Amino acid sequence: DSGVTQTPKHLITATGQRVTLRCSPRSGDLSVYWYQQSLDQGLQFLIQYYNGEERAKGNILERFSAQQFPDLHSELNLSSLELGDSALYFCASSVDRPGNTIYFGEGSWLTVV
Amino acid sequence: GESVGLHLPTLSVQEGDNSIINCAYSNSASDYFIWYKQESGKGPQFIIDIRSNMDKRQGQRVTVLLNKTVKHLSLQIAATQPGDSAVYFCAETYSGGGADGLTFGKGTHLIIQP
Repeated sequence: DSGVTQTPKHLITATGQRVTLRCSPRSGDLSVYWYQQSLDQGLQFLIQYYNGEERAKGNILERFSAQQFPDLHSELNLSSLELGDSALYFCASSVDRPGNTIYFGEGSWLTVV
Repeated sequence: GESVGLHLPTLSVQEGDNSIINCAYSNSASDYFIWYKQESGKGPQFIIDIRSNMDKRQGQRVTVLLNKTVKHLSLQIAATQPGDSAVYFCAETYSGGGADGLTFGKGTHLIIQP
C-alpha cells in the first residue's frame, strides 16, 4: 500500500458527461501529480499541484482540469468526455521538490461508452 | 515526445534466472531516475531509484545501473520469481526545476517461465 488513495476505483459514464476523480496523497506529501495511462500509451503526465498551487502542466486537455484543496487532497475533473478518454487515471504524491520519490495510487479506471 | 525509451517490449526468463531490463534516456539534464513495477490492474509500485551522482545502487534482489556517458539505465533482478511478472517502467526527471512530473518509458513486460 503506497498510502495514496484514489476514488472511485471504477467508473463507467457516457460520452459528453463530466466526472470527478479524487485523490488523497500520502500523509505529509505536499505534491500531487495526475497521470493518464491508456492501452496504446504509456504513463502520460497531466498536471502537478504543490501545496494548493499548480506547479507544472503536461499533456492535459483543455476539457480536463484539476485542483488541490487546503487539506491537500486533489480532484481531477474530466468534462465533455469522449470515447478516447477511457483510461486509467493515476494520482501520485511526493514530499515536495522533484527528486523525491513519487508514490502512486491504485488508479481510477474510467470507461466512456 | 518521449525522452525515455525501452529497448525490449517483452522479456521472457526462466524462474530462478537473473533478468536485465534496459532503458535509454535522451535528456542529459535528467538527474533522478526511478524504476517502477506495475502489475495488472494496479498502480506503479516504486522499486528502486538512483541519482546521477551514482552509477550503481542495490536493493533487495534488485540493482540499478546508470551509465551517464551513453544515457543508459538498467534494472537487474536476481533469481526471478513468479511474482516478478509485471511491466517495468523506467522514469526520469530533472530535480533542478521546471516540470516536476516524471517522464516514463513505454514499459517492458517481464514474463517468468516455470
